[in-house]
Amino acid sequence: KAGVTQTPRYLIKTRGQQVTLSCSPISGHRSVSWYQQTPGQGLQFLFEYFSETQRNKGNFPGRFSGRQFSNSRSEMNVSTLELGDSALYLCASRSGPVRDNSPLHFGNGTRLTVT
Amino acid sequence: GNSVTQMEGPVTLSEEAFLTINCTYTATGYPSLFWYVQYPGEGLQLLLKATKADDKGSNKGFEATYRKETTSFHLEKGSVQVSDSAVYFCALRTIRDNYGQNFVFGPGTRLSVLP
Repeated sequence: KAGVTQTPRYLIKTRGQQVTLSCSPISGHRSVSWYQQTPGQGLQFLFEYFSETQRNKGNFPGRFSGRQFSNSRSEMNVSTLELGDSALYLCASRSGPVRDNSPLHFGNGTRLTVT
Repeated sequence: GNSVTQMEGPVTLSEEAFLTINCTYTATGYPSLFWYVQYPGEGLQLLLKATKADDKGSNKGFEATYRKETTSFHLEKGSVQVSDSAVYFCALRTIRDNYGQNFVFGPGTRLSVLP
């Protein structure tokens, strides 16, 4: 079974631009979460989607948004990029539903560099 | 709020040494506990989990026991290998009503095993 796939692996953007990252979950998984990983802040939760609905959101500004499609694939968008947005963005899927005990399965991440 | 504390790294050991990485948590309710491992250039992989008090999770020679009385979930391995060199994350999960799960990760502990 294929794992969580994130594209692209690497991105370089300029301040003020916007970026869209993509995540395909494990087949059959309906929940997708996004995390930001930086050396200083560690892993920080961005949001979780289940059945195309945002179920949970972390403490990030409105510049960070996401969505989930009917095939469970998800995208996250960051607008008006800032230097501090440089990070590894990790997508994770789980089989769901909400109250089950399934663990998170992570992709290899998208490394975003903002110059 | 919920939080996870891990011992500061990096931890450097010789091959075949005994490993302990301490993890303590603060959470409301009854969280599930996880250890994840991250190898260079990759996302996080689930190493082991425990869903209730006194459960022992184990995988690939690693073990951790869910201790509710001490709110701890320490990771141990009897004999480490060079291939165990990675960053280890302790994490907890709580259910947020019926609308998603909260995963909180510790800061990670970098382990280097020398031949």
